[in-house]
Amino acid sequence: EPEVTQTPSHQVTQMGQEVILRCVPISNHLYFYWYRQILGQKVEFLVSFYNNEISEKSEIFDDQFSVERPDGSNFTLKIRSTKLEDSAMYFCASSEWASGNYEQYFGPGTRLTVT
Amino acid sequence: QQQVKQSPQSLIVQKGGISIINCAYENTAFDYFPWYQQFPGKGPALLIAIRPDVSEKKEGRFTISFNKSAKQFSLHIMDSQPGDSATYFCAASRAETSGSRLTFGEGTQLTVNP
Repeated sequence: EPEVTQTPSHQVTQMGQEVILRCVPISNHLYFYWYRQILGQKVEFLVSFYNNEISEKSEIFDDQFSVERPDGSNFTLKIRSTKLEDSAMYFCASSEWASGNYEQYFGPGTRLTVT
Repeated sequence: QQQVKQSPQSLIVQKGGISIINCAYENTAFDYFPWYQQFPGKGPALLIAIRPDVSEKKEGRFTISFNKSAKQFSLHIMDSQPGDSATYFCAASRAETSGSRLTFGEGTQLTVNP
């Protein structure tokens, strides 16, 4: 069964450093998303991406964040200068959004720890 | 108006019992309501979802009940099993807006005792 994959599973970085989180969405899906989950809290939307551009972003997704689809399979989230409060699980998701298929499928996540 | 409120925060049931988790939403533009199951250290896994054109949807032991006028929906887990112990999130989105974001509830930590 197709699934969303994410690398790395755990990333430790120092405050102020840049990190890139990587995702491979399900191959026939058109919409890609990043969500984050601070430990013990709910899942929060960051950004959605379609046709090589951002379609929607939340107030969390400020200028420190960027997304890119560098090739036909990968989807990346970059945090330019990490802060302690960026420590969280980051989930990539993808959706077909065609023929009434609204389901979003999530990857296993990347645990980002900023020290 | 974008919030989805979920209760209870935690729930303990005995094996074989019924687990009931409730959610309420404010935004009447929401028209797609999925439930996700999350095990520790894993990503949310889609469990079951409903659109407002039906009041109930059942898949195996999992049932969603939907009350459009009250803007509420709930997940019922029949014959709860220890393997169902996980965190459950309700969510909502606007299906008519392509690629719409999911707005999640706060989550319910379910423990099913053997």
